[in-house]
Amino acid sequence: AQKVTQAQTEISVVEKEDVTLDCVYETRDTTYYLFWYKQPPSGELVFLIRRNSFDEQNEISGRYSWNFQKSTSSFNFTITASQVVDSAVYFCALIKTSGTYKYIFGTGTRLKVLA
Amino acid sequence: DSGVTQTPKHLITATGQRVTLRCSPRSGDLSVYWYQQSLDQGLQFLIQYYNGEERAKGNILERFSAQQFPDLHSELNLSSLELGDSALYFCASSPPLDSQETQYFGPGTRLLVL
Repeated sequence: AQKVTQAQTEISVVEKEDVTLDCVYETRDTTYYLFWYKQPPSGELVFLIRRNSFDEQNEISGRYSWNFQKSTSSFNFTITASQVVDSAVYFCALIKTSGTYKYIFGTGTRLKVLA
Repeated sequence: DSGVTQTPKHLITATGQRVTLRCSPRSGDLSVYWYQQSLDQGLQFLIQYYNGEERAKGNILERFSAQQFPDLHSELNLSSLELGDSALYFCASSPPLDSQETQYFGPGTRLLVL
């Protein structure tokens, strides 16, 4: 079975701190995709990244970086020098495309960045 | 503004009724996705269309149906509504030839079933 665990329900940091949001997944498939999404307090969803299972290279986009480690089934998300605008709920998701299509979201981590 | 539009923004209806949610993707995008977000179930993927054809199916109930029209807009039909269908319904679109399949989300339709 497929599963995505975001164990951190809520994290609070002070502005300019670095913060890592954890995402641990379970799947027996060798081909899958991992995603991160952001949902700010205004409620809209924002796509952040998609990573396929064959690409374990870390990704950096500005202050955001992602660490994909198949050995630990993790796809963690780090925000460097956090800002108040980073306050949001962040969702990790796993998509299994072989056989029966499955799209599993984690329960989300609420990040509060305090000024 | 992502360029994806959804109508209506809010919808209040009664159990047993049928509603239609509409999504217009960004110009040039061929893929449309539908998601449901509720307090009980969290975020769920419902269905994806690509250029008019169903591409992937998620946790979409049999009471729900969707289609993508030749002009690429999409509609999600929800019938025999139940209280538990109250949720925020998001539509997203993604462009062709994007290796990331970046999804651009609409603002959502908030459905309240009374």
